[in-house]
Amino acid sequence: LAKTTQPISMDSYEGQEVNITCSHNNIATNDYITWYQQFPSQGPRFIIQGYKTKVTNEVASLFIPADRKSSTLSLPRVSLSDTAVYYCLVGDINTGGFKTIFGAGTRLFVKA
Amino acid sequence: GAGVSQSPRYKVTKRGQDVALRCDPISGHVSLYWYRQALGQGPEFLTYFNYEAQQDKSGLPNDRFSAERPEGSISTLTIQRTEQRDSAMYRCASSLGLAGDNQPQHFGDGTRLSIL
Repeated sequence: LAKTTQPISMDSYEGQEVNITCSHNNIATNDYITWYQQFPSQGPRFIIQGYKTKVTNEVASLFIPADRKSSTLSLPRVSLSDTAVYYCLVGDINTGGFKTIFGAGTRLFVKA
Repeated sequence: GAGVSQSPRYKVTKRGQDVALRCDPISGHVSLYWYRQALGQGPEFLTYFNYEAQQDKSGLPNDRFSAERPEGSISTLTIQRTEQRDSAMYRCASSLGLAGDNQPQHFGDGTRLSIL
């Protein structure tokens, strides 16, 4: 099964760039890497998804090296409202089924 | 609706009772997923549907848990003979494409289930 490993927590200050790295050594050929953000009392919210190299949207960038065994979510100039849990996950396509495996996530705390 | 809607938002019931949790996905979304989330942990996959077909229920903890999506839209997760260990946040998500197409999932705000 494709599993992910992320830091448990990170602290940052407003205005800084935050990079959260996720390891996924057993990623399968057809798996994409997806990041979600979750605020307290809310469901996870999709941030960004990629397969290889670099993906950028209005919220974040995702860097994926050639071997795809890790990925880095980059949040430019974070604000207090970016304090949340960030989950890295890969699609796990098993025979006869599909599972989305969330790990424990990374708790990002942005300070003023 | 605009997003995934789950009801009830909160459910408190006595041990041994059956409960039914409802999920109304985003209109037109093909796939629907159920998760359980304990406090301080990430969502734990339970089961998912492509249209009305339940594709994978290997994440269901035991045979007291079941789910259905008879018309390919609204889904119900049923827990029979509830136990205290079933207390958790139950979340539903839907995606536009088929599961396995790596489509982003859109989550509801969940049902907080408390078993006394």
